[in-house]
Amino acid sequence: AQSVTQLGSHVSVSEGALVLLRCNYSSSVPPYLFWYVQYPNQGLQLLLKYTSAATLVKGINGFEAEFKKSETSFHLTKPSAHMSDAAEYFCAVSVSSGNTPLVFGKGTRLSVIA
Amino acid sequence: GAGVSQSPSNKVTEKGKDVELRCDPISGHTALYWYRQRLGQGLEFLIYFQGNSAPDKSGLPSDRFSAERTGESVSTLTIQRTQQEDSAVYLCASSWAPGRNSPLHFGNGTRLTVT
Repeated sequence: AQSVTQLGSHVSVSEGALVLLRCNYSSSVPPYLFWYVQYPNQGLQLLLKYTSAATLVKGINGFEAEFKKSETSFHLTKPSAHMSDAAEYFCAVSVSSGNTPLVFGKGTRLSVIA
Repeated sequence: GAGVSQSPSNKVTEKGKDVELRCDPISGHTALYWYRQRLGQGLEFLIYFQGNSAPDKSGLPSDRFSAERTGESVSTLTIQRTQQEDSAVYLCASSWAPGRNSPLHFGNGTRLTVT
């Protein structure tokens, strides 16, 4: 079965510093991979997704993620953190073209320090 | 409204009571999902509806949980005889089509507290 592991339940960075949120997946078939963001008291919204095209995917708000098959990773990065980036980030995987639901990781809470 | 709407936003109930949570998906979205988010945990899939097909109930944790959906509109998630471990945020999501090419649009969730 597919699974997602997010390393670090809480990451803290200084404003302007690099953001790196780690995600590793387990799948025996080519996956689709997603990052979602959840701001306080809001639902999740899609940041970006990998669908077997370009391995470097650009999303909203300056975030990007790189699919590395050899490392089974899909880490999320942003060159310079803003205070507004403070939120919970979830990595998710889908390994079927059918109707199976996404499998989500446990999330990483990002704090940005002024 | 343009987004997925969930009600109530907060619900406090006593152990043993039944609760109903409501989800209004985006108009035209055929697929609807319920997830549960417990503190410090990821999103746990509960149930999935697609059009008039039989729902995928494989994620429901016990027979105290059930859900209905009328056509491609409103869905209700019912929890009977609530227990303290049911305390969580219940998230509803919809998408315009089934499958992974159609992104999920989430509501703001219902925070359920069982005392």
